[in-house]
Amino acid sequence: IAGITQAPTSQILAAGRRMTLRCTQDMRHNAMYWYRQDLGLGLRLIHYSNTAGTTGKGEVPDGYSVSRANTDDFPLTLASAVPSQTSVYFCASSDQAGVGEQYFGPGTRLTVT
Amino acid sequence: SQQGEEDPQALSIQEGENATMNCSYKTSINNLQWYRQNSGRGLVHLILIRSNEREKHSGRLRVTLDTSKKSSSLLITASRAADTASYFCATLDSNYQLIWGAGTKLIIKP
Repeated sequence: IAGITQAPTSQILAAGRRMTLRCTQDMRHNAMYWYRQDLGLGLRLIHYSNTAGTTGKGEVPDGYSVSRANTDDFPLTLASAVPSQTSVYFCASSDQAGVGEQYFGPGTRLTVT
Repeated sequence: SQQGEEDPQALSIQEGENATMNCSYKTSINNLQWYRQNSGRGLVHLILIRSNEREKHSGRLRVTLDTSKKSSSLLITASRAADTASYFCATLDSNYQLIWGAGTKLIIKP
């Protein structure tokens, strides 16, 4: 593979359930990001990681957690899903934080009922 | 909060015409980037312009940046059906994170 993969592609989740969205990149990029995209609002940053072992909060972090145990993987966890978390979630990476372009995964469409 | 605001929200033109999209932002920036998103897909980087640059070209794309007006424009010349997509601008803030606009939806009619 080349680039970023995300899993699952889509998911319907009952409110209150726990869910982890997976993201893996094979470009050895240092920085990784999680965004949510809602209609008419563009992308909003949830959490980011500038390098393995570190994470930071973005614009809309509440209800989400991340970990960065190694360079390649950056999972996003919803501890107790709520309907307002219904969205399309994109994982992205860049060689270094704040430098150059970001590469995006195909997205995960999540519906919380 | 959104940094970039694209204008127009939607644009429909005939194949072969030029398409111009604009982006305005609020604070000082390090660079400004344009991305394309085809329906149901992830975003793809198109072009990056640094704050000390005024114009940049890449194939049929031309980007301008006016830091005094806090605005940028993306011009796609000789549009093709495959250019149908949503286009987003993003600016790098002081925390080195990208802040995104809501996008312009471009439709190229055959």
